[in-house]
Amino acid sequence: DAKTTQPPSMDCAEGRAANLPCNHSTISGNEYVYWYRQIHSQGPQYIIHGLKNNETNEMASLIITEDRKSSTLILPHATLRDTAVYYCIVRVGAETSGSRLTFGEGTQLTVNP
Amino acid sequence: GAVVSQHPSWVICKSGTSVKIECRSLDFQATTMFWYRQFPKQSLMLMATSNEGSKATYEQGVEKDKFLINHASLTLSTLTVTSAHPEDSSFYICSGGSYEQYFGPGTRLTVT
Repeated sequence: DAKTTQPPSMDCAEGRAANLPCNHSTISGNEYVYWYRQIHSQGPQYIIHGLKNNETNEMASLIITEDRKSSTLILPHATLRDTAVYYCIVRVGAETSGSRLTFGEGTQLTVNP
Repeated sequence: GAVVSQHPSWVICKSGTSVKIECRSLDFQATTMFWYRQFPKQSLMLMATSNEGSKATYEQGVEKDKFLINHASLTLSTLTVTSAHPEDSSFYICSGGSYEQYFGPGTRLTVT
């Protein structure tokens, strides 16, 4: 799986958009970009994933550059409950069971009141 | 999303004893589940892949005789930490699913 690079920490004001970047310059054509987050002392939570196109769901938006070497997770209106470590992961086999996840260090997002 | 449960949520045991942690997929069947370990202020580290009806596969550096994994049904995988030592104290998390991996809430193990 391709390696990802994320800033170790970011701050965001409550109610504002949080934009979390991720570099994955060695991503392969069949690798998807996944985002998970982990609130302190809990199991990780799936947020969103994508291959080439931008994606949006009820939690967030995922913007993937045209060359697929980087992406940005956008939380449109951050709340205090969004404070967590956010992990960007690239992996193959999105549609098959049993595809492992390799976690990097992630970005600690702190949403301030 | 799908639900994965873990039991117990926390456990304290004495050095030298064994501890079993259960991971259940409540609303989906999982032929494969994963076990992770997380030390304080560190990221999740994959320990092993649990395969229903067959032997687990372990990551390099993980002792298979110490961390016994059983995946006897499509909804249950168990991790047994044998002869636990204080250095085994950690947060153990399991996951299952297909393109969306669903994670359990984790089990905090403290070995005294």
